[in-house]
Amino acid sequence: GAGVSQSPSNKVTEKGKDVELRCDPISGHTALYWYRQSLGQGLEFLIYFQGNSAPDKSGLPSDRFSAERTGGSVSTLTIQRTQQEDSAVYLCASSLAIYEGPGELFFGEGSRLTVL
Amino acid sequence: TQLLEQSPQFLSIQEGENLTVYCNSSSVFSSLQWYRQEPGEGPVLLVTVVTGGEVKKLKRLTFQFGDARKDSSLHITAAQPGDTGLYLCAGGPSYNTDKLIFGTGTRLQVFP
Repeated sequence: GAGVSQSPSNKVTEKGKDVELRCDPISGHTALYWYRQSLGQGLEFLIYFQGNSAPDKSGLPSDRFSAERTGGSVSTLTIQRTQQEDSAVYLCASSLAIYEGPGELFFGEGSRLTVL
Repeated sequence: TQLLEQSPQFLSIQEGENLTVYCNSSSVFSSLQWYRQEPGEGPVLLVTVVTGGEVKKLKRLTFQFGDARKDSSLHITAAQPGDTGLYLCAGGPSYNTDKLIFGTGTRLQVFP
């Protein structure tokens, strides 16, 4: 597709279960970002990738959160042993990253996670 | 940790009014972007400012980057209901990273 694709769009899980969220960026975009957004507030930075490497993973809230990117394309955000405070919309974005510093980010529609 | 604080957090106005949204930090940013987000969608870029003191105009929207590159403002003239949404500023911490930090957000509601 032409845009950033995220799946699932909605996920309801029970506390303690593991979840995987997938992001398919725009073809050719080298930078990929994960953010978390609660109740329509600002975006909380989680991690970003340049190619398959993650230069900055400082935003991951705990060691229950991990992310990987393979082939410079698809990325997966994994949350282990989910807690109710993990409930949020997880947004993925990609960018060409051809300038010094961040370029325009193109966002997916997000994955809404609800932990019961 | 670099933080971007936006004010006001919420704004409800009548069509035709003017408004200003502020984005402030104690840290210097290499660039500053403004996004608008509508319900159920991801944010969409409105503008990027990169030079201290820079002013950019996009129809009824005027964006300014502070001289010290620590703050920015968004001014909307004669607001319309179509301007309703969540406005987010976002800063690049340095030229050596593609990391982008988002502000706390300003939710704007424009009534007809």
